[in-house]
Amino acid sequence: ETGVTQTPRHLVMGMTNKKSLKCEQHLGHNAMYWYKQSAKKPLELMFVYSLEERVENNSVPSRFSPECPNSSHLFLHLHTLQPEDSALYLCASSQEPLGQGEWGYTFGSGTRLTVV
Amino acid sequence: ILNVEQSPQSLHVQEGDSTNFTCSFPSSNFYALHWYRWETAKSPEALFVMTLNGDEKKKGRISATLNTKEGYSYLYIKGSQPEDSATYLCASANDYKLSFGAGTTVTVRA
Repeated sequence: ETGVTQTPRHLVMGMTNKKSLKCEQHLGHNAMYWYKQSAKKPLELMFVYSLEERVENNSVPSRFSPECPNSSHLFLHLHTLQPEDSALYLCASSQEPLGQGEWGYTFGSGTRLTVV
Repeated sequence: ILNVEQSPQSLHVQEGDSTNFTCSFPSSNFYALHWYRWETAKSPEALFVMTLNGDEKKKGRISATLNTKEGYSYLYIKGSQPEDSATYLCASANDYKLSFGAGTTVTVRA
């Protein structure tokens, strides 16, 4: 275990459903991130939270809605998704924003999302 | 979106052989270069974070070098073992944004 826990590991949802992805870290990190990985593409940054404030929103469609209620928890709320949103969604945390420290990011294992 | 390129996309290496692969990144407003190892069904794991031109870092049989002036980093695996099979990601921090490459997938043949 890396110290960053994501649930669920797998999710299948219909286009009209509403679901949420959860990420939890107890590493004392100050920044948390959502990344999307589609097949054969680089990791795409979606959202960044630093000290519970959203500092980056990378032109992500409004059907993805992040929430960071405290420094240890990060959610990604999903509604009316499209089949092209099927991907691996990774959560990460770091001591300093944007991995400026010497340890880089700590990643969770990801949620494999399939939209049908 | 910054252009971080990794090559080759994949490679196969015989157990016991050494190998290396490249990450190229924009040199303007550069802050740091990260390397991660991502094994199948696991989380990406940080290997190195390098910031200074000429940096060299080593972790066991894996080492990395950094050239910030020309914008490239090499990752070396010495005496490859089957457990080295993974996708190796690099990420470049420029203008306080971290951009990932698509990775180099290494398969070590026994």
